[in-house]
Amino acid sequence: KAGVTQTPRYLIKTRGQQVTLSCSPISGHRSVSWYQQTPGQGLQFLFEYFSETQRNKGNFPGRFSGRQFSNSRSEMNVSTLELGDSALYLCASSIQGYEQYFGPGTRLTVT
Amino acid sequence: AQKVTQAQTEISVVEKEDVTLDCVYETRDTTYYLFWYKQPPSGELVFLIRRNSFDEQNEISGRYSWNFQKSTSSFNFTITASQVVDSAVYFCALIRGNYGQNFVFGPGTRLSVLP
Repeated sequence: KAGVTQTPRYLIKTRGQQVTLSCSPISGHRSVSWYQQTPGQGLQFLFEYFSETQRNKGNFPGRFSGRQFSNSRSEMNVSTLELGDSALYLCASSIQGYEQYFGPGTRLTVT
Repeated sequence: AQKVTQAQTEISVVEKEDVTLDCVYETRDTTYYLFWYKQPPSGELVFLIRRNSFDEQNEISGRYSWNFQKSTSSFNFTITASQVVDSAVYFCALIRGNYGQNFVFGPGTRLSVLP
């Protein structure tokens, strides 16, 4: 089976812009979770989608949003980018939400 | 509230040494799952093991072993005869036993295995 794929792998944006990241889960996995990883804050949960519905959400501002499509692919959007949004964004998929398999991540740099 | 503590920020060992990575967790739930993940320099988190709160059996997989003790809320990870390829950041994580609950990750332990 193919693993979790994330696109793009690297991204450079300017403050104030918006960005959309994409995640394709492992075939058959209906749960997709997103995480932000920074040196200062570590791995922090953003949100989880299951069957196109957001099931859980972490403590991030409303600038961070996501969605899931009927084929389980998910997108994450960050609007009005700030310098502090520079991070590695990881997507993970699982069948029900427990054993999560992670993608390679998208490294976002905001200048 | 849930919390995962990995007190060791960085560990350096020489190849072939054994090394134990500590993980202490806090939760009020009776049903929960514990995980260990490895993050090599490439950045991708690699799943190593999952344990549920009702299974305190220790597990061994090759050079890796895990010691789960509910009495001390610990889930420690030991690498026997470490190798340079074991160099990575290791994360311990906790998730509640209900669907739709997010993972809580520890801060990670950076392991450097020197040749």
